[in-house]
Amino acid sequence: EAGVAQSPRYKIIEKRQSVAFWCNPISGHATLYWYQQILGQGPKLLIQFQNNGVVDDSQLPKDRFSAERLKGVDSTLKIQPAKLEDSAVYLCASSKGGKETQYFGPGTRLLVL
Amino acid sequence: EDQVTQSPEALRLQEGESSSLNCSYTVSGLRGLFWYRQDPGKGPEFLFTLYSAGEEKEKERLKATLTKKESFLHITAPKPEDSATYLCAVRMYSGGGADGLTFGKGTHLIIQP
Repeated sequence: EAGVAQSPRYKIIEKRQSVAFWCNPISGHATLYWYQQILGQGPKLLIQFQNNGVVDDSQLPKDRFSAERLKGVDSTLKIQPAKLEDSAVYLCASSKGGKETQYFGPGTRLLVL
Repeated sequence: EDQVTQSPEALRLQEGESSSLNCSYTVSGLRGLFWYRQDPGKGPEFLFTLYSAGEEKEKERLKATLTKKESFLHITAPKPEDSATYLCAVRMYSGGGADGLTFGKGTHLIIQP
C-alpha cells in the first residue's frame, strides 16, 4: 500500500514570496492533517480535514496560511506572504478517521531567506 | 493548557545498554498516547498507541508502558539502527471530531557500536 505522498521535498524562497505544498493521502483515508515541525521541536498541528471539510484550524495563522482539500482526496497548503519564521518542515498525515492511527508523509522542507 | 514533556532531550548509549525514555503529559480526557520514531530527513513512523493506564505494547526491542501521568519507552539491548528521534504525542478529547496530536519535543537517541 502506498504511503502519504508530498511534493516538493525541498523549497527555498525569499521572504514575502508565496509557496504551495501538495499532499496525497493513503487511499481510502478520510482524514488529512497538516503539521509544522520547526527544527528541534515536535510537529504542531495546523489544520485537520474530514473528507473535504475543515474540522480544526484553530492553530492555522489564517492571515498568511490557507489550505484546501478539493474532492476529499489531495490537499494543498499555501503560505502567502512567507516570513523567516515559516522555515520548517511541513508534514502531511492521514488516517481512516476516528481513533485510527495517523500516518505521516516524508515532509516538505521549507527555507525562507 | 495540554502539555507533553519528554526527557531526556538526548541520550547516548552503547550497543546493548538498555534504558528508558520518559513522556509526561497533562491533558484532560486522554484519547490515546502515541509513540513515533523519526529518522533524519523523514516523517514520523508510527510505533505504538496506548489508551489506558497499565497498558503495555512491545515491538522487537521496544516496549511502551502507560500510567495516568506518564509513559515510558523501554529499549532493551539496543542496536545502532535504533538511533533516531523518538516522539511522544497525545490525542485529547475534543468536540466536533477534532483529533489532532499534541507532540513533545522528542528524545534524540544515539546508539554507539
